[in-house]
Amino acid sequence: EADIYQTPRYLVIGTGKKITLECSQTMGHDKMYWYQQDPGMELHLIHYSYGVNSTEKGDLSSESTVSRIRTEHFPLTLESARPSHTSQYLCASSPPMGNYGYTFGSGTRLTVV
Amino acid sequence: AQSVSQHNHHVILSEAASLELGCNYSYGGTVNLFWYVQYPGQHLQLLLKYFSGDPLVKGIKGFEAEFIKSKFSFNLRKPSVQWSDTAEYFCAVTLPYGNNRLAFGKGNQVVVIP
Repeated sequence: EADIYQTPRYLVIGTGKKITLECSQTMGHDKMYWYQQDPGMELHLIHYSYGVNSTEKGDLSSESTVSRIRTEHFPLTLESARPSHTSQYLCASSPPMGNYGYTFGSGTRLTVV
Repeated sequence: AQSVSQHNHHVILSEAASLELGCNYSYGGTVNLFWYVQYPGQHLQLLLKYFSGDPLVKGIKGFEAEFIKSKFSFNLRKPSVQWSDTAEYFCAVTLPYGNNRLAFGKGNQVVVIP
């Protein structure tokens, strides 16, 4: 069972609303990541963090923003949701040293109507 | 463009059949390689990984993968699949410059028919 938690699991929201997707991990990992996943497509990195107060944009441009005020918490915010933001958002974390794989959360499936 | 390629996105096979999923990457230099699996309704889980040493890697649930450096490949295999192997399989590669960041392929949707 994953030690990284994402809420909500599913979210349907209207255009223009502000939303925050939550991601928390209990493993003390310094590195955390947000990926966007669409059916039949590869996972695209949209944000990552190497520790508290560290955030970087990923390979895929995204209108979302992230914050990392605490090690265990890495929320993603959309100030004004649009239908183009409809996707699955996956949060992951990894240990600070060594080339270990990621631990993934269950994801948030977002639908903007 | 540098990428991770997985072909045959949809694979349908019967129980007891053998499975092989191809993965090719185009990054130069030293890389670490991973296969992840996502069962229906569940989160992505690490199936196996290769860092160095024996290029034939054993993973969980009877899966194995072989790293062939000259072909930039890391193919996943299982000699005899079960219905419970129905899942989506993702190949991933650490970026040489990426400080443990992973690049993923598009995935293979595998359906095993009982």
